[in-house]
Order: sequence, then C-alpha cells, then structure tokens
Amino acid sequence: EPEVTQTPSHQVTQMGQEVILRCVPISNHLYFYWYRQILGQKVEFLVSFYNNEISEKSEIFDDQFSVERPDGSNFTLKIRSTKLEDSAMYFCASSELNTIYFGEGSWLTVV
Amino acid sequence: SQQGEEDPQALSIQEGENATMNCSYKTSINNLQWYRQNSGRGLVHLILIRSNEREKHSGRLRVTLDTSKKSSSLLITASRAADTASYFCATDDWAGGTSYGKLTFGQGTILTVHP
Repeated sequence: EPEVTQTPSHQVTQMGQEVILRCVPISNHLYFYWYRQILGQKVEFLVSFYNNEISEKSEIFDDQFSVERPDGSNFTLKIRSTKLEDSAMYFCASSELNTIYFGEGSWLTVV
Repeated sequence: SQQGEEDPQALSIQEGENATMNCSYKTSINNLQWYRQNSGRGLVHLILIRSNEREKHSGRLRVTLDTSKKSSSLLITASRAADTASYFCATDDWAGGTSYGKLTFGQGTILTVHP
C-alpha cells in the first residue's frame, strides 16, 4: 500500500539552527500538509499546500517556517531558527481528496 | 468541549471485549476521520465518515455519526492486544469546493487491551 515517507525519523538540533524535514507524499496525491504534535498534546495543523502554493496556514506557521516542493516528489518543511518550543513530532500528510494519510513522523528535539 | 474531543480519555479492556470511544465537536463539518497512533509512531487512517452518512463499517470497526448532536463513536469489536493504541477523531474544515484539509484533532482516547 502506498505510504507517505518522512526523513529523518529523529533529529536533534541546537537552538537557533535551521532544520529541514523531508517528505515524499503518496505519488498521485495533489494536496500536502504538515502537522505537528508536541509531546502529550494534540496533533495540530501547520500548513496545507496545493498547486505549488500554500492553501492555508495556522498561526503556528509563522515566518520561521516555510514549505517547498523542490521537485516532483519531495515536500519539505524548513524551520529557519529553531526554538526550544519547536521540539515536537512533525507529520507530513497527503491526500487525493478527503482522506488524509500521514507519515510516520519526524521527531525533532531542540536543545 | 473543544472541537474533536474524545471520551473516555483512557479505556482498559480485556481481549475479546468491545471498545467504544466517543468524539464530540462544535462546528459544522464535511467529514470526520478516525486515526490510530501507536506510541511514538505515525497516524494510521482508520475510517472516514461523511456528514451525510450515519454509520460506516470497516472490518471490526464501526463508526457512527450524529450531526444533530455533533458527535461520533468508534466501536472496535472483539478487541485484540494489537489494538492497544491512542485513537483520535479529526474533523475537517473543508470549505465548499475548495479543499484545504485542515483537520482539527481531539486529545485522543488511550485504549489498552489486556491479553
């Protein structure tokens, strides 16, 4: 069964460093998303992306965050200058229409 | 309660028993999805129910939706130890013909199935 794949599975970074999380969405999907889950908290929407542009973003998704689809298969989330509170599991997701499929997540720890 | 709130927060049962988890939400929705998450792992899509549907089945899963009460339930029949996980409902903010896929998740129900 097709799946969303994410790399890295774990990353530890120093505060202030830039981080890029990578995702390969399901191949025929047109909608791409990033969500995050801080330990012990709800899964939160960050951003949706369609037709090479952001469709919607949450208030969490401030100027420190950016997304890109650099080629036909990858979808990336960049955090420019990480903060301690960015420590979370980041999920990439994709959909053809209504059903949204998530990847295994990337654990980001900012120290 | 907030959009997509599940209850109970934790449920502990014996293998073979049925597990029922409930979800309430506040706003109008187009569809509601249930996901499972094993500890520290990704979200696995279980089932999607549209706002014009009242009940849906998938294997041992049965989902109901009551839009008048803004609530949904997930029933897992004949539970197995492998069903031990957190279960989340997620409601969408799809707006008409434009798809945004902004899901709002609840806090989840932690289900423990004892062998």
